[in-house]
Amino acid sequence: GAVVSQHPSWVICKSGTSVKIECRSLDFQATTMFWYRQFPKQSLMLMATSNEGSKATYEQGVEKDKFLINHASLTLSTLTVTSAHPEDSSFYICSARSGQGGDNSPLHFGNGTRLTVT
Amino acid sequence: GEDVEQSLFLSVREGDSSVINCTYTDSSSTYLYWYKQEPGAGLQLLTYIFSNMDMKQDQRLTVLLNKKDKHLSLRIADTQTGDSAIYFCATHSGGYQKVTFGIGTKLQVIP
Repeated sequence: GAVVSQHPSWVICKSGTSVKIECRSLDFQATTMFWYRQFPKQSLMLMATSNEGSKATYEQGVEKDKFLINHASLTLSTLTVTSAHPEDSSFYICSARSGQGGDNSPLHFGNGTRLTVT
Repeated sequence: GEDVEQSLFLSVREGDSSVINCTYTDSSSTYLYWYKQEPGAGLQLLTYIFSNMDMKQDQRLTVLLNKKDKHLSLRIADTQTGDSAIYFCATHSGGYQKVTFGIGTKLQVIP
C-alpha cells in the first residue's frame, strides 16, 4: 500500500532555533500533502495543505510565517517550525493521498515527529 | 463546522469483541474512515466505507454505517492485546480536501 515516510521521528531543540520536518511519499506521487498537529490526548488538527509548486493553504489561526511549508517536488513536503518556543512542542504528522480516486482517496499518514522545545 | 464525536475510552477482555462508536454531523460525508494510532506513532488506515454502503467487513473488522442517524461503528472480533491503541473516526466530503477527525477512542485490551 501507499507509504508515507516522515523524518525525524523525534527532535529536541532549543528555544529560538528552527526545525525542519520532512514528509515523503515513497511509492506514489502526491500533489497535495497535509500537515497535522496533535496535542496530548487530543485529535488531529489540520494546520495546512501543502500544494506542489504553489503556496500552502493554512487553516485559520495557523501562523504561516512560523510554520513554513515547502512542497518542492511530487514526493517531498517540508514543514519548518521557525523560532521555536516551548508551546510549539507537539506531535506533528503529515499525510498524503495516493492519488487513486483523486480527492476521494483515503489519507495515508507518516509516523509523526515529536518536537520538544526546551 | 463539521463535528465528529467518539467516546474516549473502551476496555475489553482479550478474545471478546470490541465496538467503537462514532457520530458525525456532516450529512454530505461521502467517505468515513477508521484509523489506528499506536503510542508515539502516526495513523494507520484500518478501513473505510463509502456513504452508500451499510456495512463493510474485512477479516476481524466490521464497519457499520447508519447514514440516517449519522452513526458509524467499528467492531473488532476476537480482540487481541495488539489491538490496544487509539482509534480515530474521520469523515470526508467528496471534493473537499479537509478530513475531520474525532478525538479518538482509547481501546484497552485486558489479557
